Amino acid sequence: AQSVSQHNHHVILSEAASLELGCNYSYGGTVNLFWYVQYPGQHLQLLLKYFSGDPLVKGIKGFEAEFIKSKFSFNLRKPSVQWSDTAEYFCAVNAPSGGSYIPTFGRGTSLIVHP
Amino acid sequence: KAGVTQTPRYLIKTRGQQVTLSCSPISGHRSVSWYQQTPGQGLQFLFEYFSETQRNKGNFPGRFSGRQFSNSRSEMNVSTLELGDSALYLCASSPNSREGYGYTFGSGTRLTVV
Repeated sequence: AQSVSQHNHHVILSEAASLELGCNYSYGGTVNLFWYVQYPGQHLQLLLKYFSGDPLVKGIKGFEAEFIKSKFSFNLRKPSVQWSDTAEYFCAVNAPSGGSYIPTFGRGTSLIVHP
Repeated sequence: KAGVTQTPRYLIKTRGQQVTLSCSPISGHRSVSWYQQTPGQGLQFLFEYFSETQRNKGNFPGRFSGRQFSNSRSEMNVSTLELGDSALYLCASSPNSREGYGYTFGSGTRLTVV
């Protein structure tokens, strides 16, 4: 079974700092990769996704992620964070399972941005 | 268009009771999955339904069950509740999980077992 590791459980930054959240997965075949965000009191929302093609994926709100197949990684980045980026971030990997694609989620990274 | 709707939003139950949670997916979405979210374990997959058939199941005991109706609405049932079942239960829908689409999540049902 596949697994997803998010290395940073808690990240605290000041506004305008750069962000990189790590995500590694363990599955050797073709995968679809996602980052979801959960703002305080809100439901999980899709931030960006990678299916194929350009390994550098751009999402909403200035976020981007780079798929590095050789490293089994899909790290999330943002050049300059804002206070409104305070949220929990989840990396997810869709891999084939029982004829469908079931996302496996990482444990999440809690990001706090100080104004 | 309307998002994924989960009812009720909050529930308080006593140990030993059973509970049924409901999920209405986005119109046209035929795949519905359920997740349990807890601070210690993160999001754990419960099961996935597609066209009224359970297509995948996670590693949860048989007390956790679900079903999907012909209109794609889904219900999840937990019998003989335990304190450890306290969690946020999330429903997510997608057009067809065979294609590897991303999910659209509902706001969840917060279950507290006392």
